[in-house]
Amino acid sequence: DQQVKQNSPSLSVQEGRISILNCDYTNSMFDYFLWYKKYPAEGPTFLISISSIKDKNEDGRFTVFLNKSAKHLSLHIVPSQPGDSAVYFCAASDSGTASKLTFGTGTRLQVTL
Amino acid sequence: DADVTQTPRNRITKTGKRIMLECSQTKGHDRMYWYRQDPGLGLRLIYYSFDVKDINKGEISDGYSVSRQAQAKFSLSLESAIPNQTALYFCATSDTLAGTGDNEQFFGPGTRLTVL
Repeated sequence: DQQVKQNSPSLSVQEGRISILNCDYTNSMFDYFLWYKKYPAEGPTFLISISSIKDKNEDGRFTVFLNKSAKHLSLHIVPSQPGDSAVYFCAASDSGTASKLTFGTGTRLQVTL
Repeated sequence: DADVTQTPRNRITKTGKRIMLECSQTKGHDRMYWYRQDPGLGLRLIYYSFDVKDINKGEISDGYSVSRQAQAKFSLSLESAIPNQTALYFCATSDTLAGTGDNEQFFGPGTRLTVL
């Protein structure tokens, strides 16, 4: 049972445009959400997070939006740059299971020139 | 120097062999984790440890065992490797929650394991 879903395995966006990566979850106990970025031959690195008490969090070019009623979150990258080309994983946790993250299957973003 | 290191980075072994993957961290974190990544399945938690005396099974622990030798070291063992354990394995660490809900984990570079 996939509790965190990223339904788009891949996404291609032109440099300078907006990239929107989506993530859906089914477990209503999840109250903290993270996005990780992964380059080939490297481990995932933390990008941005959001608590369920918020509906938006920004960090530079990256913004995460959370819609709790729809159990949906999205990562916006504006403007997209070639260095953003990577696999992006959405992850979720709930306070009750302390630190355990449930990951989505990932979306491969390619930013073209 | 990397904060979370994994050895070996690549390993090819045969069915039935015992193999150990090692993880060390210099971040001073209490919590350590082992994940595997398979194409199309994302990262799945194998085992996790909140301190040296605390070991917990994750969602896919069958066929694996772990040892937390010290705060900084967490090893994953495959007692008798089988081909469907071919995957990319990641170790991760995190700090004890400060009540903020911040669950950021820091990952090592991964070990690519192939079981023939």
